[in-house]
Amino acid sequence: EPEVTQTPSHQVTQMGQEVILRCVPISNHLYFYWYRQILGQKVEFLVSFYNNEISEKSEIFDDQFSVERPDGSNFTLKIRSTKLEDSAMYFCASSEASGGSYEQYFGPGTRLTVT
Amino acid sequence: AQSVTQLDSQVPVFEEAPVELRCNYSSSVSVYLFWYVQYPNQGLQLLLKYLSGSTLVESINGFEAEFNKSQTSFHLRKPSVHISDTAEYFCAVRPRGTSGSRLTFGEGTQLTVNP
Repeated sequence: EPEVTQTPSHQVTQMGQEVILRCVPISNHLYFYWYRQILGQKVEFLVSFYNNEISEKSEIFDDQFSVERPDGSNFTLKIRSTKLEDSAMYFCASSEASGGSYEQYFGPGTRLTVT
Repeated sequence: AQSVTQLDSQVPVFEEAPVELRCNYSSSVSVYLFWYVQYPNQGLQLLLKYLSGSTLVESINGFEAEFNKSQTSFHLRKPSVHISDTAEYFCAVRPRGTSGSRLTFGEGTQLTVNP
């Protein structure tokens, strides 16, 4: 069964450093998403992406975040200058289409630790 | 905007006992409702969803959930749990139609099934 994959599984970085989290969505999916979960808190939506542009973003997704689909398979989340509060589990997801009835398939997550 | 509340952060039960995980939501628009499950070190997997029609929906592994519009609830139940059901369960909602694509999650409920 096709699945969403994410690398690395765990990333440790120092405050102020840039990090790139990588995701390979399911191959025939057109919509891509990033969510995050700070330890002990809810899973929160960050951004959705379609046709090489952001289709929706949350208030969390400020100027230090960016997303990119650099080639036909990868989808990346970049955090330009990490802060301690960026420590969280980051989930990538993809879906065939937009709209509430289309299932979003999630990857296993990348645990980001900022020290 | 939508919000989801899962009333129990942890639910310990014995094997073969029944269980109910509670979920309430608030939304100014009609929503689709979902339950996701996360096993240790894995991503979020869709367990079941309510889109329309019968308010009782079932999963392949014996879970069921009932949509109650008047109480704005979508509680998850299983009549007899197994050790392998130990996981974190997330309730989520998404606006109907194509205008909204983000999932809004509850805080999660850790179900622990003891022998």
